[in-house]
Amino acid sequence: EPEVTQTPSHQVTQMGQEVILRCVPISNHLYFYWYRQILGQKVEFLVSFYNNEISEKSEIFDDQFSVERPDGSNFTLKIRSTKLEDSAMYFCASKTPGGTLTYEQYFGPGTRLTVT
Amino acid sequence: DQQVKQNSPSLSVQEGRISILNCDYTNSMFDYFLWYKKYPAEGPTFLISISSIKDKNEDGRFTVFLNKSAKHLSLHIVPSQPGDSAVYFCAASPFYNQGGKLIFGQGTELSVKP
Repeated sequence: EPEVTQTPSHQVTQMGQEVILRCVPISNHLYFYWYRQILGQKVEFLVSFYNNEISEKSEIFDDQFSVERPDGSNFTLKIRSTKLEDSAMYFCASKTPGGTLTYEQYFGPGTRLTVT
Repeated sequence: DQQVKQNSPSLSVQEGRISILNCDYTNSMFDYFLWYKKYPAEGPTFLISISSIKDKNEDGRFTVFLNKSAKHLSLHIVPSQPGDSAVYFCAASPFYNQGGKLIFGQGTELSVKP
């Protein structure tokens, strides 16, 4: 069964450093998302991406964040200068564009980002 | 932002009995609702969904009920099995949002005891 994959599973970085989190969405999906979950809190939407551009972004997704689909398979989240409060589990998700399953998003296993 | 609320942080049920997980929402613009299941150190796994034009959707042991007038939905698991022990998230998607972002509740941790 196709699945969303994410690398690395755990990333430790120092405050102020840049990190890139990588995702490979399900191959025929066209909508891509990043969410995050700070320990003990709810899963929060960060950004949606379709047709090589951002569809929507949350207030969390400020100028320190960017997303890219550098080739036909990868989808990346970059944090330019990490802060302690960026420590969280980051989930990538994808979905098909239409049909009866329009709303269901399929999530990857997550990348745990620890900023020290 | 409390648009989707799961007021019970935890629920404990005996194996074979019914588990009922509840979710309330405040935004009348939501038109699609989903339940996700999450094990520790894994991503959320899609379980079942319901459109706002329906009041019930069933898939095997899982049934989701939607009460639009009360802005309430519930997930029923019958019979509950120990493997169902996980955190369950309710999520909603607004109809006006072409990007399809999901807004999640805080989650309810279900423990099914043998």
